[in-house]
Amino acid sequence: EAQVTQNPRYLITVTGKKLTVTCSQNMNHEYMSWYRQDPGLGLRQIYYSMNVEVTDKGDVPEGYKVSRKEKRNFPLILESPSPNQTSLYFCASTEGGGNFAEAFFGQGTRLTVV
Amino acid sequence: KNQVEQSPQSLIILEGKNCTLQCNYTVSPFSNLRWYKQDTGRGPVSLTIMTFSENTKSNGRYTATLDADTKQSSLHITASQLSDSASYICVVSVNYGGSQGNLIFGKGTKLSVKP
Repeated sequence: EAQVTQNPRYLITVTGKKLTVTCSQNMNHEYMSWYRQDPGLGLRQIYYSMNVEVTDKGDVPEGYKVSRKEKRNFPLILESPSPNQTSLYFCASTEGGGNFAEAFFGQGTRLTVV
Repeated sequence: KNQVEQSPQSLIILEGKNCTLQCNYTVSPFSNLRWYKQDTGRGPVSLTIMTFSENTKSNGRYTATLDADTKQSSLHITASQLSDSASYICVVSVNYGGSQGNLIFGKGTKLSVKP
């Protein structure tokens, strides 16, 4: 089954403790991205990757890092989490290009930083 | 600035009734427009895609329209069911010469269908 898998689904952590949210896709997509979703703000892109070893900032990259060492995996790293990074996070993998790109989203990771 | 505006923010309807959600966009150059359905706590799932030349497209009880001249789209839900309760997100793709995934998200319309 074609899917995007995120782990963990839920995470509570303390300020300053480094964490990683993993994302894996089995569709051989080149393009992957991370979003955060906050009430009233919708989905905002954090980082994206157009291919292995190619990453770039989205709209809200501050406080986040990513890596793309292999096509299927795109982990999101919070080196020193702060309470304002409490949010619902989604990883997405994009099929196709040109006029028909469709984003497939993971199940989401609900992060709470206390 | 590329933007996607949706209305209403939220909507409550009775089961069996119809409803229409609106999406206005100022995105250039336009590639396509998708409507996504997002159940609470889950990732969005694509319902339908509209390209520049398409006016209407149906997917079961969901019918999307696109007016490329006025840069407006609507999603009409017929004979609503309790399972239609979700957020509906309008997403416009920017065409940067084949670049993938330049997606502009609306903030969504939260639909609640009551029995």
